[in-house]
Amino acid sequence: QQQVKQSPQSLIVQKGGISIINCAYENTAFDYFPWYQQFPGKGPALLIAIRPDVSEKKEGRFTISFNKSAKQFSLHIMDSQPGDSATYFCAATVNNNDMRFGAGTRLTVKP
Amino acid sequence: EAGVVQSPRYKIIEKKQPVAFWCNPISGHNTLYWYLQNLGQGPELLIRYENEEAVDDSQLPKDRFSAERLKGVDSTLKIQPAELGDSAVYLCASSKTGASTDTQYFGPGTRLTVL
Repeated sequence: QQQVKQSPQSLIVQKGGISIINCAYENTAFDYFPWYQQFPGKGPALLIAIRPDVSEKKEGRFTISFNKSAKQFSLHIMDSQPGDSATYFCAATVNNNDMRFGAGTRLTVKP
Repeated sequence: EAGVVQSPRYKIIEKKQPVAFWCNPISGHNTLYWYLQNLGQGPELLIRYENEEAVDDSQLPKDRFSAERLKGVDSTLKIQPAELGDSAVYLCASSKTGASTDTQYFGPGTRLTVL
């Protein structure tokens, strides 16, 4: 069922560095691409999302880059902070919010 | 505004026993989802409700899993009988509508351990 492939599985970044997480998809019917952040013991929470007709979206330190022709999208976290340490999931939705998640990236930001 | 409420937060049972999970979505949210999250994996949809109607239950193992959403508000997910492989976190989410761009809000989940 995994229709969205995510990498890397884990990522360690120094405080102040840039964290980059990549995702790829095959189903061209996907029409919305959200990223979710999940802390231990909590449910996933929406971080930022992008439509496929937009190539980039920025909200604060978080940026999504979207390449429709390559069917790839990525999350960039600028000036990474220890509080950003969490698991990040890319996702793609189709057909009335049928959402498919990637396998997740565990990010650790070292102080 | 209260978020999605789930109970219990943790449940430990012996295999072959029944178990039930309860979810109260955000007030006014018509669409409710149940997801299964295995350790180290992303959530996988089990069933989606539009009000009280199950509109997508294709991934729900119907031989042992059942769900209901009476009156289109609260929902219950049941497993009977539970198997060792059912150990996972069961997440409930809700959204205002079923549109693709509608944010899904997740509850904290119920962590099930089957011994």
